Amino acid sequence: SQTIHQWPATLVQPVGSPLSLECTVEGTSNPNLYWYRQAAGRGLQLLFYSVGIGQISSEVPQNLSASRPQDRQFILSSKKLLLSDSGFYLCARRRISGTVEAFFGQGTRLTVV
Amino acid sequence: GDSVTQMEGPVTLSEEAFLTINCTYTATGYPSLFWYVQYPGEGLQLLLKATKADDKGSNKGFEATYRKETTSFHLEKGSVQVSDSAVYFCALSDQETSGSRLTFGEGTQLTVNP
Repeated sequence: SQTIHQWPATLVQPVGSPLSLECTVEGTSNPNLYWYRQAAGRGLQLLFYSVGIGQISSEVPQNLSASRPQDRQFILSSKKLLLSDSGFYLCARRRISGTVEAFFGQGTRLTVV
Repeated sequence: GDSVTQMEGPVTLSEEAFLTINCTYTATGYPSLFWYVQYPGEGLQLLLKATKADDKGSNKGFEATYRKETTSFHLEKGSVQVSDSAVYFCALSDQETSGSRLTFGEGTQLTVNP
């Protein structure tokens, strides 16, 4: 089976603190990987996507960064969190060819206080 | 660029009522279309999909037909249950877009009352 692991599930961090959210996938090689953010009561905003190791595309300018140090690992980071970084962060993967749908992890609820 | 427009929520229905959630899209190529469902506190799950015009996706009693002439992919269910209460997202994937990203609508909150 193809599985996505995200951790932690919930996180409360003070303003100005660093952030590191990790996403790992199993059961597939060379997937496209994505980070989405869902603000309260709103839709999904694509933050970053990666088509391979070390390859990161940013969709919107922001206080966050992403890295892909291994084929199946995708990390979302921040050096100094802002209140506006609060939200529900979702990691997703897609295969490069074949089926086109995305599969999502269970998400991380981040609250910046 | 690509975009998805969904019927605004929230939608509140009684159990066994008929459900329609409208979704229209704009895309430069020939997109694949999806409906995802998000239960409280969870990630998104694929509900159904259609990859070409006139295809009908179906799952768990939900259906949606890919209508190229009206650029629509409306979600329907004949008789909703309390357990269908969730947020529903319409999405498209345009294979010509670099990174093969998914573009989502804003989501529609559905509440089904017993």
